[in-house]
Amino acid sequence: DVKVTQSSRYLVKRTGEKVFLECVQDMDHENMFWYRQDPGLGLRLIYFSYDVKMKEKGDIPEGYSVSREKKERFSLILESASTNQTSMYLCASKTPNEQFFGPGTRLTVL
Amino acid sequence: QQPVQSPQAVILREGEDAVINCSSSKALYSVHWYRQKHGEAPVFLMILLKGGEQKGHDKISASFNEKKQQSSLYLTASQLSYSGTYFCGTEELGAQKLVFGQGTRLTINP
Repeated sequence: DVKVTQSSRYLVKRTGEKVFLECVQDMDHENMFWYRQDPGLGLRLIYFSYDVKMKEKGDIPEGYSVSREKKERFSLILESASTNQTSMYLCASKTPNEQFFGPGTRLTVL
Repeated sequence: QQPVQSPQAVILREGEDAVINCSSSKALYSVHWYRQKHGEAPVFLMILLKGGEQKGHDKISASFNEKKQQSSLYLTASQLSYSGTYFCGTEELGAQKLVFGQGTRLTINP
């Protein structure tokens, strides 16, 4: 079974802190994604990556950056967390025909 | 731009049928359907590729109208286990990324 894991299920941070969300997949997929999920807004794409050291902005990249140093790991970085970044963050990896999601990290910024 | 799903929410009794629609303003290569149960990651249901196909397994099926850039998910004789939020994800040719709708919350009551 494909497995996508995220470093934390729940995270509480303070405004202004630098936050790292880690995602690891074990199926050698080239494409990886970060989404945030908010009620009524569905899943919105933050950043994605086609390959190691490659990154592309999604629909809402402001306030975020990403890192992909190894194929299996894709990190989302909040340089200076703000309260409007309180959300559920979902990582995913993808084959041409299917996308696999991690369990999500619920981030609260106080 | 996110695809538009309708309805936003639907409540059924066990055994009733439901249709969830997904509409895009873009020329699509594929449409994916996912179901997410509360507190869990979205799970892949099926993919439809351009060509106007219809797919299904068990009592869940879907169609893709390439001319209208619309897809519909059909749930027949609904079961309690069908409850959850359904998302369509659309992919343009060559994009290698999915853009998701806002979701449709389906509640099945006994």
